[in-house]
Amino acid sequence: DAGITQSPRYKITETGRQVTLMCHQTWSHSYMFWYRQDLGHGLRLIYYSAAADITDKGEVPDGYVVSRSKTENFPLTLESATRSQTSVYFCASSPDLGSAQPQHFGDGTRLSIL
Amino acid sequence: GQNIDQPTEMTATEGAIVQINCTYQTSGFNGLFWYQQHAGEAPTFLSYNVLDGLEEKGRFSSFLSRSKGYSYLLLKELQMKDSASYLCAAMDSNYQLIWGAGTKLIIKP
Repeated sequence: DAGITQSPRYKITETGRQVTLMCHQTWSHSYMFWYRQDLGHGLRLIYYSAAADITDKGEVPDGYVVSRSKTENFPLTLESATRSQTSVYFCASSPDLGSAQPQHFGDGTRLSIL
Repeated sequence: GQNIDQPTEMTATEGAIVQINCTYQTSGFNGLFWYQQHAGEAPTFLSYNVLDGLEEKGRFSSFLSRSKGYSYLLLKELQMKDSASYLCAAMDSNYQLIWGAGTKLIIKP
């Protein structure tokens, strides 16, 4: 089925470790986004991408790295995980920005850093 | 700065009507989105407003007043499955979404 999938759904790791969250979409949407969701906060944008090999920082990019070598994949890497990065991470995609183009979300990755 | 305000929690009765308010302050404005998010699940798109007025979509309606920086989501004939968080998000001049923290709606029988 077409859609947007994230893996893993759950991850527990230790501080200082590197961890990569995967995101794959089958719609051929140009735009992809990474958000984190924490209690009491709205979704906060970490990074986004307008196309393959084009990425840009969002509101909270520190400690994260992204790449987009193929249109359908947009992995997010925490190079040296910290406890403050414990969160629920959502990947989203949209065909375009603006107009009435909603973002479509994956099911999320629940990441715990001990 | 950019800011979205919405109530943290609301309670309503099955079969009733509830209105969830959202006020926003953004650098530029390119529309207002409402999403529904059930506990432990992904946000799903409900509505989009860019012009003043009311947009109706079945039991759900969304209203926008650009001059007041105000929107609301109206849910009619509430069902137990409507228990969820409702997220308001405004799109700024850079076409980035600024999200509210969400309103948790509790439906009682």
